[in-house]
Amino acid sequence: EPEVTQTPSHQVTQMGQEVILRCVPISNHLYFYWYRQILGQKVEFLVSFYNNEISEKSEIFDDQFSVERPDGSNFTLKIRSTKLEDSAMYFCASSLQILAAQPQHFGDGTRLSIL
Amino acid sequence: AQTVTQSQPEMSVQEAETVTLSCTYDTSESDYYLFWYKQPPSRQMILVIRQEAYKQQNATENRFSVNFQKAAKSFSLKISDSQLGDAAMYFCAYTWETSGSRLTFGEGTQLTVNP
Repeated sequence: EPEVTQTPSHQVTQMGQEVILRCVPISNHLYFYWYRQILGQKVEFLVSFYNNEISEKSEIFDDQFSVERPDGSNFTLKIRSTKLEDSAMYFCASSLQILAAQPQHFGDGTRLSIL
Repeated sequence: AQTVTQSQPEMSVQEAETVTLSCTYDTSESDYYLFWYKQPPSRQMILVIRQEAYKQQNATENRFSVNFQKAAKSFSLKISDSQLGDAAMYFCAYTWETSGSRLTFGEGTQLTVNP
């Protein structure tokens, strides 16, 4: 069964540095998402993306964050200048359509640790 | 505000027994969808079961079934004949038709299956 893959599985970065998290969605999916989970807290929506632009973003997704689909397969989340509070598990997801009924398929996540 | 609450941080069950995980939600929407996701130690979140709010019939997927009480805004997951492989974190999630498909998650319930 096709899967969403994320790299790296664990990223350690110094505060203030830029970090890029990578995701390869399922090949025929058209809608892409990023979520994060701070340790001990709920999984939170960050952003959804379709047709090379952001469809929706949460209040968490401020100017420090950006997303991009640089080629036909990768979907990236960039954090421009990381802060300690950015430490979390980041999950990428994709779906075939943006209909609410359409299930989202998640990757394994990237654990981001900011020092 | 749309919220999802899982009041059981941890649950345990004996192998082959039945366990029920609780979830309540708060919404003013009429058109929405509810999901249970499973996150085993391997971290990938896997869709277990889905319920459309407009359907009165409770969803069933093999050993997994839900008890959807729309008036009470309750969506519990029943796992029958529990297996060791069912051990995981279980997340209840919700989305609505005009949300752009953003998922709102509960806190999660860690399920342990005892041999």
